[in-house]
Amino acid sequence: DIVMTQSPDSLAVSLGERATINCKSSQSVFYYSNNKNYLGWYQQKPGQPPKLLIYWASTRESGVPDRFSGSGSGTDFTLTISSLQAEDVAVYYCQQYYSTPRTFGQGTKLEIK
Amino acid sequence: EVQLEETGGDLIQPGGSLRLSCAASGFTVSNNYMSWVRQAPGKGLEWVSTIYSGGRIEYADSVKGRFTISRDDSNNTLSLQMNSLRAEDTAVYYCARDSSARAFDVWGQGTMVTVSS
Repeated sequence: DIVMTQSPDSLAVSLGERATINCKSSQSVFYYSNNKNYLGWYQQKPGQPPKLLIYWASTRESGVPDRFSGSGSGTDFTLTISSLQAEDVAVYYCQQYYSTPRTFGQGTKLEIK
Repeated sequence: EVQLEETGGDLIQPGGSLRLSCAASGFTVSNNYMSWVRQAPGKGLEWVSTIYSGGRIEYADSVKGRFTISRDDSNNTLSLQMNSLRAEDTAVYYCARDSSARAFDVWGQGTMVTVSS
């Protein structure tokens, strides 16, 4: 199984500042056949299901604000929120969908400083 | 509108059985990969099972031999039959569409399963 490891486990950022969450996979999730990284990012607010933010490591899902961006390739990935808003307080998860089982990172809790 | 709605969660004693259902609207279950994901109280997301459009099925080791995923094409629903339930199966269970290209792009609201005596 591919192990996904996020860092940090929790993060406190001031409103308007940048938030950065890292995700590392135990093996590459890059498909050479289509040049895609099979890595997704989700946001989960309390009492709600996860919401897909980013797929293919850097493609924003429809309706996701452009302050959210994803980057990285192979085994190392980053989710960046360029200017933190109050509504961004949530737990963020990365997930690889390169192979089964579709493993998730342990989550990063993002709070306001 | 594309939606998923889970039902069937309950309080059940250890060793008991429970069947969860997930009704889909706005798309056809049988044309997609469909998965169950669970989240224990205060914990992270754990993939449970997937049924592929071609019928292939996979399970997490933690539920293999106890849980059975299936779909009802006529009713456009996904199900999870859970037997020999244990306390560690206590969680919110979500059904999700695995688009394979866009990861898990549609999620239900979840249904709570509590295994306790």
